[in-house]
Amino acid sequence: GENVEQHPSTLSVQEGDSAVIKCTYSDSASNYFPWYKQELGKGPQLIIDIRSNVGEKKDQRIAVTLNKTAKHFSLHITETQPEDSAVYFCAARGDDKIIFGKGTRLHILP
Amino acid sequence: KAGVTQTPRYLIKTRGQQVTLSCSPISGHRSVSWYQQTPGQGLQFLFEYFSETQRNKGNFPGRFSGRQFSNSRSEMNVSTLELGDSALYLCASSTVPGQGHYGYTFGSGTRLTVV
Repeated sequence: GENVEQHPSTLSVQEGDSAVIKCTYSDSASNYFPWYKQELGKGPQLIIDIRSNVGEKKDQRIAVTLNKTAKHFSLHITETQPEDSAVYFCAARGDDKIIFGKGTRLHILP
Repeated sequence: KAGVTQTPRYLIKTRGQQVTLSCSPISGHRSVSWYQQTPGQGLQFLFEYFSETQRNKGNFPGRFSGRQFSNSRSEMNVSTLELGDSALYLCASSTVPGQGHYGYTFGSGTRLTVV
């Protein structure tokens, strides 16, 4: 069945450095790729998304890249700050359903 | 604009009991999806409702059921609770399902503990 693999499961970076989270998907019909951030005690919140007709999208310190041929997409956070500490989920959506990765716990070290 | 509201926030139930969770979507959103979140399995899709009809269902046993009302509010029910049902249950709403969907808005979830 369809699957989304997300790596790493845990990531620790020094404050101010960059963080990269990678996902691969299996369903070639996937056309929409959102990223969610989940803070403690809250539901996931959409932070950025990209459609299959776009290769890259940026919003301030956050960027997402998509390689349709390789079925890879990645989240890049630059100049990380303490408030970036959270769990991040990637997802891929085709016609009928959305599949989530298992999440990456990002720790920003002081 | 009010967000997605889930009630109750916390529940403690005993094995064998049943439970009903409620979700009120964002005003104007007609699609509601439910997810089970556990540390080991991440976000597992339960079901999706649109216009009071179930559109999709995940791989959960028949003990898990749901419904959607004409005002788009949704409920999910779990009967004969098992210890393994302990999880955070998340509801997400969106304008419409299917192609052209722009991403969910999640509620804060209901934390269910089965003892």
